[in-house]
Amino acid sequence: QKEVEQNSGPLSVPEGAIASLNCTYSDRGSQSFFWYRQYSGKSPELIMFIYSNGDKEDGRFTAQLNKASQYVSLLIRDSQPSDSATYLCAVNAGRGADGLTFGKGTHLIIQP
Amino acid sequence: EAGVVQSPRYKIIEKKQPVAFWCNPISGHNTLYWYRQNLGQGPELLIRYENEEAVDDSQLPKDRFSAERLKGVDSTLKIQPAELGDSAVYLCASSFRQGNWYEQYFGPGTRLTVT
Repeated sequence: QKEVEQNSGPLSVPEGAIASLNCTYSDRGSQSFFWYRQYSGKSPELIMFIYSNGDKEDGRFTAQLNKASQYVSLLIRDSQPSDSATYLCAVNAGRGADGLTFGKGTHLIIQP
Repeated sequence: EAGVVQSPRYKIIEKKQPVAFWCNPISGHNTLYWYRQNLGQGPELLIRYENEEAVDDSQLPKDRFSAERLKGVDSTLKIQPAELGDSAVYLCASSFRQGNWYEQYFGPGTRLTVT
């Protein structure tokens, strides 16, 4: 059974600092990896995805992938109170068309 | 560009009653998904459509759940009869190909409460 593990938190980070969110997955054959942000009572919102080992940057967000360690992370630089949300890591066996396997999410709190 | 549309947004029913959810995907998105999200959990896939064909329904509880996507656009997910454990948020998503990769976008969801 495919599993995606995340620390549920809450993870508390001061405003302006770097928030680091981590995710591990069990299926070594996974090909694509997604980060979603979910505000309370809202639906998941795609932040970014990554499929190659290394770093991928988009604005204040950086996704990091290490397939050998089966590890994905999301860094949020210059954290803002509006970044407070639950961050869901999702994994896909292919190029993203298949159903996603989600972790339970990490609850992030940015302290003003 | 309009996002994924779902209705109703909220539904409260008594157990053993039927319920249906409707989804209109983003225009041009051929792949449509239904997920279920329980409180404190990530979404779990129920069914995936490629146009009008259900290509993955392995996680759909077929004794009480059914889905259809007529004409390969709108989709309906039905539960009959509903059980207390069906209380959850039902999310519809659609995807399109961005280069060699697909991005899935979610609708606002339908929050179902079974009493």
